Amino acid sequence: DQQVKQNSPSLSVQEGRISILNCDYTNSMFDYFLWYKKYPAEGPTFLISISSIKDKNEDGRFTVFLNKSAKHLSLHIVPSQPGDSAVYFCAATPYNNNDMRFGAGTRLTVKP
Amino acid sequence: DSGVTQTPKHLITATGQRVTLRCSPRSGDLSVYWYQQSLDQGLQFLIHYYNGEERAKGNILERFSAQQFPDLHSELNLSSLELGDSALYFCASSGDRNTIYFGEGSWLTVV
Repeated sequence: DQQVKQNSPSLSVQEGRISILNCDYTNSMFDYFLWYKKYPAEGPTFLISISSIKDKNEDGRFTVFLNKSAKHLSLHIVPSQPGDSAVYFCAATPYNNNDMRFGAGTRLTVKP
Repeated sequence: DSGVTQTPKHLITATGQRVTLRCSPRSGDLSVYWYQQSLDQGLQFLIHYYNGEERAKGNILERFSAQQFPDLHSELNLSSLELGDSALYFCASSGDRNTIYFGEGSWLTVV
């Protein structure tokens, strides 16, 4: 059961432009959302997170937006850099439960 | 370095065989998770242990089993291996409910 969905398997943007990665979820019990970044042959690394009590969280070039009514979140990267090229996974976890579920990932390519 | 250690990094075995993947969580983390990533697939949640007890089960086959030991390290046992079990298996650990930290993974190739 795909409780967390990333419908775009890939995204290509030009260096300096904005990258927007999208994620949808179906489980209304999810209350904490995360983005992970993964380079080839490495484990995923935590990037940024957001609690359901917020609708935006910012960390440098990375901003995550949460729309609870639409069960949708997005990750914005501004400006995009070639080093951002990686696979990005959206993840979600219910309240008081570490049962974290991941989307299928979106491969971001930032072209110089 | 996430602090999560997985061994072996690479493993090649034949169909029908059994293998054990090992994970040492970050120091102090009580939760251990196992995920499977097949070619071009997302991270499939397999199982979660907390302080030695099973907390949640995902899409884990009956041929697979896991356990977490008193020293908090964990093992994932894969038996009667099939070609389709070839994948990257990740272990992750967490100390709170919000963020989990992944190891570098164990590449399993079944031939």
